[in-house]
Amino acid sequence: DTAVSQTPKYLVTQMGNDKSIKCEQNLGHDTMYWYKQDSKKFLKIMFSYNNKELIINETVPNRFSPKSPDKAHLNLHINSLELGDSAVYFCASSRQLLTPTYEQYFGPGTRLTVT
Amino acid sequence: QKEVEQNSGPLSVPEGAIASLNCTYSDRGSQSFFWYRQYSGKSPELIMFIYSNGDKEDGRFTAQLNKASQYVSLLIRDSQPSDSATYLCAVNFLRPGNNRKLIWGLGTSLAVNP
Repeated sequence: DTAVSQTPKYLVTQMGNDKSIKCEQNLGHDTMYWYKQDSKKFLKIMFSYNNKELIINETVPNRFSPKSPDKAHLNLHINSLELGDSAVYFCASSRQLLTPTYEQYFGPGTRLTVT
Repeated sequence: QKEVEQNSGPLSVPEGAIASLNCTYSDRGSQSFFWYRQYSGKSPELIMFIYSNGDKEDGRFTAQLNKASQYVSLLIRDSQPSDSATYLCAVNFLRPGNNRKLIWGLGTSLAVNP
């Protein structure tokens, strides 16, 4: 009964490759997020989708492209991978973006290593 | 000033003691505040949230909010070795366009010694 799931859990790839990470939530939430957590453990939001609509798009290289086919899924595609993309990527979901008290639930994370 | 600041630690307390974790934030308009716990190699998990000034208790955990001082803290009573983790403070900021997003602190590493 995993609430927020991500695949793959680990991803090792070479510079210049293109890769995708998939996320699914079965909580019935309206809003989904992608976060990046770097080696210093800083958690930074990348994107947020509310009912399949892009709401937050932080200053992220356009090599990163999110896609939400429906409100239960949010995928992240990364083109031309660079060494600096190595990090743990977390997917999260919450009931609504615009209400201040709704907490976020995180997936297990995808550890991306670019060599 | 960083938007959300936490002392990175490590904070070391003996088993059974009270651990006190602090967080300050820059946006006076922030409305809600979250404490998450993250074990090494795992994802953040919510401990509790608070949005009114004062204290909020949940089991061994108490969140304290002082909006005038822009300060939120988490107290862990009767600390256990299993509480050893990184504690992340997150603040819900209102952005232009009426969007909200969580701004995260860097986290405080807590070690509870048996």
